[in-house]
Amino acid sequence: AQSVTQLGSHVSVSEGALVLLRCNYSSSVPPYLFWYVQYPNQGLQLLLKYTSAATLVKGINGFEAEFKKSETSFHLTKPSAHMSDAAEYFCAVRGQDEKLTFGTGTRLTIIP
Amino acid sequence: DTGVSQDPRHKITKRGQNVTFRCDPISEHNRLYWYRQTLGQGPEFLTYFQNEAQLEKSRLLSDRFSAERPKGSFSTLEIQRTEQGDSAMYLCASLSYASGNTIYFGEGSWLTVV
Repeated sequence: AQSVTQLGSHVSVSEGALVLLRCNYSSSVPPYLFWYVQYPNQGLQLLLKYTSAATLVKGINGFEAEFKKSETSFHLTKPSAHMSDAAEYFCAVRGQDEKLTFGTGTRLTIIP
Repeated sequence: DTGVSQDPRHKITKRGQNVTFRCDPISEHNRLYWYRQTLGQGPEFLTYFQNEAQLEKSRLLSDRFSAERPKGSFSTLEIQRTEQGDSAMYLCASLSYASGNTIYFGEGSWLTVV
């Protein structure tokens, strides 16, 4: 079975500062990894995905994530935070059973 | 709009009543998932379909819950005799292998049981 751990349920950064959201996974098979964003009262929007091609994955809205097998990590970064980035972010892993298993989420707050 | 569509978006019901949610997946997506999300938590898997066949049900899906996908297109999730603990957002998602194995989510259906 696969699992995801998101370190930090709340992260606050200043506008223009680096955003770093942490995700560690556990999977018995090479994983597919995803980051989704959720704005208040809305569903999940895919930011980016890792599917065993390039280890550095670029997504929408300037986000990117790097797959590090040795660290079992898939941290999400953005060089410069915008106010519009304030949302809940979920890391997810998909294993052989083709279901997504989500972390508990990280709420990102942007300080003006 | 060719995304995953869910209806209704919000539902308030009295405890003990039955509710039904509908999901229309992206056209030609053969796999359809239902997830449940409570406040402050990540989505949790409930069940999924490959075309019209229901392949797996989570332990979270008690006997009061039933899901169908009769023609392999839209799906319904029914909750009978609702309880306050059923209050959550119910998310539908769909996948097509032809679209790069990405699972796309709908906007969700919020259920409040009073």
